[in-house]
Amino acid sequence: QKEVEQNSGPLSVPEGAIASLNCTYSDRGSQSFFWYRQYSGKSPELIMFIYSNGDKEDGRFTAQLNKASQYVSLLIRDSQPSDSATYLCAVNLFGGGADGLTFGKGTHLIIQP
Amino acid sequence: DAGVIQSPRHEVTEMGQEVTLRCKPISGHNSLFWYRQTMMRGLELLIYFNNNVPIDDSGMPEDRFSAKMPNASFSTLKIQPSEPRDSAVYFCASSLMSEQYFGPGTRLTVT
Repeated sequence: QKEVEQNSGPLSVPEGAIASLNCTYSDRGSQSFFWYRQYSGKSPELIMFIYSNGDKEDGRFTAQLNKASQYVSLLIRDSQPSDSATYLCAVNLFGGGADGLTFGKGTHLIIQP
Repeated sequence: DAGVIQSPRHEVTEMGQEVTLRCKPISGHNSLFWYRQTMMRGLELLIYFNNNVPIDDSGMPEDRFSAKMPNASFSTLKIQPSEPRDSAVYFCASSLMSEQYFGPGTRLTVT
């Protein structure tokens, strides 16, 4: 049974600070890792994906992957009130879009102005 | 691109009725996914297709649920008969590579 675990929060971070979101997964064979942002009442929106151990940066977002520890994280620098949302971690066994995603239940992030 | 299109956006029906949800994937994408989201269970994969062929339907909760993809630009998810516990938001997503893009969802309420 594939499982993805996230702290449900809420995680409260002051505006301008770094928000750190964490995720662990159970299936050691997982190959691809995704972070989605979901605003209340809206659909999940892809923020970043990562396949290799280490860091991947895209603007204010950095994804970090440690396959040995089965751990993936998302850092949001210079947090803005518009970053307040639920962040979903997702994994799949295959790269190339050949497999459905297993999602965590999400972390609710609140950026305090 | 218009993105993934789903219809209807909202559906309210009575227990026992048939419900059909529709999805048009992004043009050129070759994989299509149906997910269901509830507060209790989060976002769960129901079924997915590659090149219009169903690959894994292990997430379909019961025989009351069925899905088809008759061509590359259209898919349906049918629930017959519907039950109150089927109330959820149903998302369709499509992909060409690894990244999956979600439609706006259909909010289903079964009374």
